[in-house]
Amino acid sequence: GQNIDQPTEMTATEGAIVQINCTYQTSGFNGLFWYQQHAGEAPTFLSYNVLDGLEEKGRFSSFLSRSKGYSYLLLKELQMKDSASYLCALHGSSNTGKLIFGQGTTLQVKP
Amino acid sequence: DAGVIQSPRHEVTEMGQEVTLRCKPISGHNSLFWYRQTMMRGLELLIYFNNNVPIDDSGMPEDRFSAKMPNASFSTLKIQPSEPRDSAVYFCASSPSGGGRQPQHFGDGTRLSIL
Repeated sequence: GQNIDQPTEMTATEGAIVQINCTYQTSGFNGLFWYQQHAGEAPTFLSYNVLDGLEEKGRFSSFLSRSKGYSYLLLKELQMKDSASYLCALHGSSNTGKLIFGQGTTLQVKP
Repeated sequence: DAGVIQSPRHEVTEMGQEVTLRCKPISGHNSLFWYRQTMMRGLELLIYFNNNVPIDDSGMPEDRFSAKMPNASFSTLKIQPSEPRDSAVYFCASSPSGGGRQPQHFGDGTRLSIL
């Protein structure tokens, strides 16, 4: 089976940098997704990591280490609108679209 | 471009009633997913289809739940009879083919309350 752990809540200050971690136990997977979900809205895609290393997209970066079984999402120059839940999801080893989501980390950005 | 369209946006009904949720995926997307989200359990995959064929329904909670995809542009999730514990937000998502490496695009969800 697959097990995914994320911190439940985090708080950070506007303009700062925050790192949201995701650890997992799995027998194999194709890649790892990060999604953002604002309260009352649908999840939206942020990033997808297949290989170890850092993927950068503007203020957001995502990192994957398969050997250590973890990923993180790095948010720079935090803005109030970044207050949301951040979900990591494993894309399983079968060649299908099935994702297993973590419980999500609720980030609150304060002025 | 139109995204994934779900209806209704909100549904309140009494236990024992039949509930039907509807989804129109993004045109050209071959895979369609139904999820349920609650505070306690997070986002759970119920069932997904590839080219209109159900591939994995292991997440469907019990026989009261059923899903169909009669064509590439329409899917339904039905609960009969409904129970209060079915109260949740139900999301439909679609993605292009590509072995799952393409991101899933989510609809706005149906907020279901069973009284």
